[in-house]
Amino acid sequence: AQKITQTQPGMFVQEKEAVTLDCTYDTSDPSYGLFWYKQPSSGEMIFLIYQGSYDQQNATEGRYSLNFQKARKSANLVISASQLGDSAMYFCAMIFSGGYNKLIFGAGTRLAVHP
Amino acid sequence: SQTIHQWPATLVQPVGSPLSLECTVEGTSNPNLYWYRQAAGRGLQLLFYSVGIGQISSEVPQNLSASRPQDRQFILSSKKLLLSDSGFYLCAWSLGGANNSPLHFGNGTRLTVT
Repeated sequence: AQKITQTQPGMFVQEKEAVTLDCTYDTSDPSYGLFWYKQPSSGEMIFLIYQGSYDQQNATEGRYSLNFQKARKSANLVISASQLGDSAMYFCAMIFSGGYNKLIFGAGTRLAVHP
Repeated sequence: SQTIHQWPATLVQPVGSPLSLECTVEGTSNPNLYWYRQAAGRGLQLLFYSVGIGQISSEVPQNLSASRPQDRQFILSSKKLLLSDSGFYLCAWSLGGANNSPLHFGNGTRLTVT
């Protein structure tokens, strides 16, 4: 069965520093996609970045990059130059080819950026 | 561009009352549609998804139901709410027929059952 694990309930980072949020996944499906979403206190879910299982290079979107290690089944999110507005819940999610684009979510990591 | 509308933003309902949450998508045709629920401080649980009009798949047994009367309209309902139905409900869409396309979420409905 497919599963997403986020082992860090909470993380703290100083403004302007980089932070890594961990995500491991479990699937036997060779074709899958990994996503990261940000959920501010307002509740909306904001799509940040996507990595496909066959992508050769790590995905990057502005200050977000995804450290994809396929053999270890990990897809960590790296946020560079943290800003106060980055304080939010972050969810790792996975989609797989037989799943009708159904997203399976991890439990989330709460990130607090300190000035 | 595509937009998703979800209402109401907040709702307080007594136990045993009915529920109807509505979600509409604009700017795309034949989207995949989803209802998720998020308990306080927890991750998202998929409740229902739909790949077309009248096609509803349920992920978890519960007293909720979903309907898709039109291509871009998704409704979450209950005949009698339970206390355990309280939570944050999120509607989402993705491109129909596209593998691994991201889900785009509405702003959510915070439901409190009293």
